[in-house]
Amino acid sequence: EVQLVESGGALVQPGGSLRLSCVGSGFTFKNYAMSWVRQAPGKGLEWVSTISGRGDSTYNADSVKGRFTVSRDNSRNTVYLQMNSLRADDMAVYYCAKGGAVDTPMMNWGQGTLVTVSS
Amino acid sequence: DIQMTQSPSTLSASVGDRVTITCRASQSISSWLAWYQLKPGKAPKLLIYKASSLIYGVPSRFSGSGSGTEFTLTINSLQPDDFATYYCQHYNSYPYTFGQGTKLEIK
Repeated sequence: EVQLVESGGALVQPGGSLRLSCVGSGFTFKNYAMSWVRQAPGKGLEWVSTISGRGDSTYNADSVKGRFTVSRDNSRNTVYLQMNSLRADDMAVYYCAKGGAVDTPMMNWGQGTLVTVSS
Repeated sequence: DIQMTQSPSTLSASVGDRVTITCRASQSISSWLAWYQLKPGKAPKLLIYKASSLIYGVPSRFSGSGSGTEFTLTINSLQPDDFATYYCQHYNSYPYTFGQGTKLEIK
């Protein structure tokens, strides 16, 4: 059974940094692109970032370019989202998802981790 | 960027009803469209990919159709477990975008 478990969500001040982690199990982690999607309070889903299986290609939404970095450690079956210069509009539940390469949907999702940006 | 317009934003229906949700892309995305179901506190769930392919284990009352720019999700004979929020998403090219969501409520 595929499992994705996110962690790292917290309360952070505007301008601060946070790193989210997502551990995958139940599948061959290195064979799949991994993605991050967020949902702000009362809003819809927003794609954030995708990283290829080998980690050599990354894609980011314009809203996070230059501030967020996606990376992965295939030896640990873990994908990360480093978030810098956080703003109030980054406050959201962040979901990790398996998939998201072009022509591939996001097949499995974690339950999400909450990031609160407030002073 | 490709914009996805989903309608309606809210849908009230009864158990046993048939409902349809529409998603329109601002340019052709071939069949690179997925439908997801969201429930509060639970992991989002992929229902349909490539516009009309049902994920294994998803009840057959769910179906998807369309290609190019017009897509629909149909749920036949609504069950209590189906009341949730549904999103379409294109995965034709980056950046991926989602529709605004449709909240399916019990009438």
